[in-house]
Amino acid sequence: DIQMTQSPSSLSASIRDRVTITCRASQSISIYLNWYQQKPGKAPKLLIYAASSLQSGVPSRFSGSGSGTDFTLTISSLQPEDFATYYCQQSYSTSQLTFGGGTKVEIK
Amino acid sequence: EVQLVESGGGLVQPGGSLRLSCAASGFTFSSFDMHWVRQGTGKGLEWVSGIGATGDAFYPGSVKGRFTISRESAKNSLSLQMNSLRAGDTAVYYCARGILTSDGYYYLDHWGQGTLVTVSS
Repeated sequence: DIQMTQSPSSLSASIRDRVTITCRASQSISIYLNWYQQKPGKAPKLLIYAASSLQSGVPSRFSGSGSGTDFTLTISSLQPEDFATYYCQQSYSTSQLTFGGGTKVEIK
Repeated sequence: EVQLVESGGGLVQPGGSLRLSCAASGFTFSSFDMHWVRQGTGKGLEWVSGIGATGDAFYPGSVKGRFTISRESAKNSLSLQMNSLRAGDTAVYYCARGILTSDGYYYLDHWGQGTLVTVSS
């Protein structure tokens, strides 16, 4: 199975800060990498698919990059509604989907 | 509007069984892959099963042989039969729709609100 490792597991940031979250795959997955946002008590929400494609309706301050084994999610200017937990997920193997452990973004 | 509504969660003893359901609406259910993803309290997301539009099913090793995913297109319904339940299966269980783009990329675009399964004596 493909293992996904996110870092950091949590971070503290201020409004308007630039935030970067990293996700690493245990093998090359090309750009078969998605990012989700989850707020407490809510279902996950798709932000980015295919490593860098923004899902419809997602603000442009969110962006994704990377290929192979290393990926990043960047929030260019953190807003109050962005405090949440973010997960990466590989879809290289669609018969064995796997998620990263999550990164919790908290208010500094 | 796409809607996914899970039901069937509850308290079950270790070794027991439970069947979850997901009612789908707002899209042609028979044309899409569907998945179950769970989340233990304070923990991350874990994929637990998926089923293709044609009925082929997939599981991770942690639940293979204990969980069975199925779909009934006539009722727009997804199910998860869970047997030999353990304390570690305690989680909120979400159903989610899988999307395959024309470029071959795959993601989960809509999720239900989840149903809580608690395995405890």
